[in-house]
Amino acid sequence: VQLLESGGGLVQPGGSLRLSCAASESTFNTFAMNWVRQAPGQGLEWVASISGSGGVTNYVASVRGRFTISRDNSENSLYLQMDSLRAEDTAVYYCAKGAFGTSYYGMDVWGQGTTVTVSS
Amino acid sequence: DIQLTQSPPFLSASVGDRVTITCRASQGIASYLAWYQQKPGKAPKLLIYAASTLQSGVPSRFSGSGSGTEFTLTISSLQPEDFATYYCQQLNSYPQTFGQGTKVEIK
Repeated sequence: VQLLESGGGLVQPGGSLRLSCAASESTFNTFAMNWVRQAPGQGLEWVASISGSGGVTNYVASVRGRFTISRDNSENSLYLQMDSLRAEDTAVYYCAKGAFGTSYYGMDVWGQGTTVTVSS
Repeated sequence: DIQLTQSPPFLSASVGDRVTITCRASQGIASYLAWYQQKPGKAPKLLIYAASTLQSGVPSRFSGSGSGTEFTLTISSLQPEDFATYYCQQLNSYPQTFGQGTKVEIK
């Protein structure tokens, strides 16, 4: 499977952005999926995850209530709706597939990343 | 939240050296730990999952061990392509936190 992110860009504080991640395989609906971000010069931060069916989601506390992870299995696509953006959300955002389709064994396929810059 | 502390944060080594990186969890996570390698400008690559299982295609010079709260990643003989930053991640509970990273540089 290959993952391709899109939707990054420059946005003002308080603004919104929607990231997309397109998967190349039709078995997409069997994979748990994640968003992971990396601020400039910093380490990795897990942001959110969603089960294969889309029925279970989890978020890091710093984005809960502002970001929404979702998926459209008919389109083999993952999304991250980001609202009320802050300067500290500036990062490269990666989508990543859960190994063996689950959330217990790490992430074995990653996209190339899309850059989000929050600045006035 | 479970905190992961990696040591050392920075490591200078030579080709052929044996290298060990430690990851300590603030509470027990059984064997729900993964290791990643990241090179500049690239996405991370999964090396080890379930603390000690080598991901398909990863060279056998990489190995992982540990359970509970203390884990190690070992590179038995460092190769030029191994100079990178390494991260651990716990998958035991949400948020699925990462360690702060260990940068392995050429001595």
